[in-house]
Amino acid sequence: NAGVTQTPKFQVLKTGQSMTLQCAQDMNHEYMSWYRQDPGMGLRLIHYSVGAGITDQGEVPNGYNVSRSTTEDFPLRLLSAAPSQTSVYFCASSYYQGEINEKLFFGSGTQLSVL
Amino acid sequence: DAKTTQPNSMESNEEEPVHLPCNHSTISGTDYIHWYRQLPSQGPEYVIHGLTSNVNNRMASLAIAEDRKSSTLILHRATLRDAAVYYCTGGDSGAGSYQLTFGKGTKLSVIP
Repeated sequence: NAGVTQTPKFQVLKTGQSMTLQCAQDMNHEYMSWYRQDPGMGLRLIHYSVGAGITDQGEVPNGYNVSRSTTEDFPLRLLSAAPSQTSVYFCASSYYQGEINEKLFFGSGTQLSVL
Repeated sequence: DAKTTQPNSMESNEEEPVHLPCNHSTISGTDYIHWYRQLPSQGPEYVIHGLTSNVNNRMASLAIAEDRKSSTLILHRATLRDAAVYYCTGGDSGAGSYQLTFGKGTKLSVIP
């Protein structure tokens, strides 16, 4: 089972460049989300989606865009990368039943460096 | 948002039980309490979750206080493979939204 797949695993960008971090899941999960993890900061929620065509902001959304055109994919876009966006990014998905919480499945992460 | 408080670090001897505490005094009545762990250089993985009653699975047990303001993750016999950062988190599943927010977690060291 593939689960949650993130690409690329590593990326180096120059300040001002744009890129898209890819996330795909094959479990037919309605809920998908993006987190960033910085040293000593734990995981912080960037954006999330509860279904195709529906997205919402998390704790730290500035500088990031998302869209959800299919159930399977939830790409994260950096329009103009900044050094403050150097971090490890994790995508996660789960079943969603309104207010019933289910366990999250995480990808293996993308390590992004912005110079 | 449901905010959680955990100790920064804990140590345990191998094959001893470990009790990892978490305070979540602002959690709402319908939000589940989740625990995840993160091994070095890996993504977080699910450990256990529950609402009100104590929960057991093959990995751990979750003891939830009667007032739901705190919980304890219990590893019955710590192994070296259990050395990880453990995150307690509460959902914020108000009508129309769902956010699972993570704190800084507890780094568990297991001493052989």
